[in-house]
Amino acid sequence: GESVGLHLPTLSVQEGDNSIINCAYSNSASDYFIWYKQESGKGPQFIIDIRSNMDKRQGQRVTVLLNKTVKHLSLQIAATQPGDSAVYFCAPSPRDNFNKFYFGSGTKLNVKP
Amino acid sequence: EAGVTQFPSHSVIEKGQTVTLRCDPISGHDNLYWYRRVMGKEIKFLLHFVKESKQDESGMPNNRFLAERTGGTYSTLKVQPAELEDSGVYFCASSRQGPNRAFFGQGTRLTVV
Repeated sequence: GESVGLHLPTLSVQEGDNSIINCAYSNSASDYFIWYKQESGKGPQFIIDIRSNMDKRQGQRVTVLLNKTVKHLSLQIAATQPGDSAVYFCAPSPRDNFNKFYFGSGTKLNVKP
Repeated sequence: EAGVTQFPSHSVIEKGQTVTLRCDPISGHDNLYWYRRVMGKEIKFLLHFVKESKQDESGMPNNRFLAERTGGTYSTLKVQPAELEDSGVYFCASSRQGPNRAFFGQGTRLTVV
């Protein structure tokens, strides 16, 4: 199976600052990675994905960095806003089964006004 | 495009009773997944359907859980008889074929008392 862990269960940032959420995975065969955001009372929502043949991908205010050598992902959120407060999950999936995702326990991002 | 919908949003049942959760995936999505999050821990995979076939049910905790997807459309997850440790939030997700984001429903919060 896959072991997914986030470095910090909770991260507090000031509104307007940049946030960096880190994630480590154990399976070197992981080939596809998704970051999800889960707000209270809602299901996980897709933020951004990255394939293993890339090391960086940018979206709107978010950037994901992938370091396959050390099996590490990070999600960077620029100019963090109160609406970014949520639990963030990285979910790798293996090369032999792109349709199976493994979630860690998540990092709760608190944005202070 | 309508999202993934789950019914009910919240269910409270007594230990030993039966509960059936329902998931309506996004139309055209062959892949349907069930996940659950118990005790605020990580979101764990339960099983994966491709159309009406169970592709992977390695995450089903025991034989008190039965998932079906008749006709390859909506799916049900039945817990019979429910135990206290089954309490948690049950998520359903769907996706198209291939390495693709999965869209999650809002979840069903199950409380067994």
